[in-house]
Amino acid sequence: QSVLTQPPSVSAAPGQKVTVSCSGSSSNIGNNYVSWYQKLPGTAPKLLIYENDKRPSGTPDRFSGSKSGTSATLGITGLQTGDEADYYCGTWDSSLSAALFGGGTKLTVL
Amino acid sequence: QVQLVQSGGEVKRPGASVKVSCKASGYTFTSFGITWVRQAPGQGLEWMGWINVNSGNTKYAQRLQGRVTMTTDTSTDTAYMELRSLRPDDTAVYFCARGVVQGIIIIDFDSWGQGTQVTVSS
Repeated sequence: QSVLTQPPSVSAAPGQKVTVSCSGSSSNIGNNYVSWYQKLPGTAPKLLIYENDKRPSGTPDRFSGSKSGTSATLGITGLQTGDEADYYCGTWDSSLSAALFGGGTKLTVL
Repeated sequence: QVQLVQSGGEVKRPGASVKVSCKASGYTFTSFGITWVRQAPGQGLEWMGWINVNSGNTKYAQRLQGRVTMTTDTSTDTAYMELRSLRPDDTAVYFCARGVVQGIIIIDFDSWGQGTQVTVSS
């Protein structure tokens, strides 16, 4: 059971929009930056969003991040079949003195 | 460009130790931290700990405390992760990643190694 809670799966049709939520607490999301990672099978995770809402160079602007209180959200618009992957939120927990990942959300593009 | 290249896969017996290396290039090694993350079959990402390359300070996940050691060799820009007293449930792909150090914490893992498969089996 992860400290950060994500839905196990989300799905939407090509071209549509989807959001992935990540719920935590004041000791983690509430007081620290949130990152989002894309994980394709057999490959290393890729940083998609950092510091809540910033995109590294190479991340398409179809991907967005936001944070409010103790929750964060990843948004993906204009869904493509290549977006099918597992998505993980990550942050630091000040009480545990540890980095955390959410349990991961599997995105299916129908 | 930033690259992290890990050592090859390992097969170990229960009770043995494994040491995985992660060679960095394309950036100033001491300006970032290195974190280690693993993914067991069918499971999510598990953070194992991190090392501040500049200071050598480490922080390990509580569940691995006492079994894991993270070190670096700044003469070769290489990070190492050693896991001892291996158990079958340590079977996983192990990743190193570069992270931004903010005081005593590490965030934003922006470059990752390719992963090292460690299999623990009798």
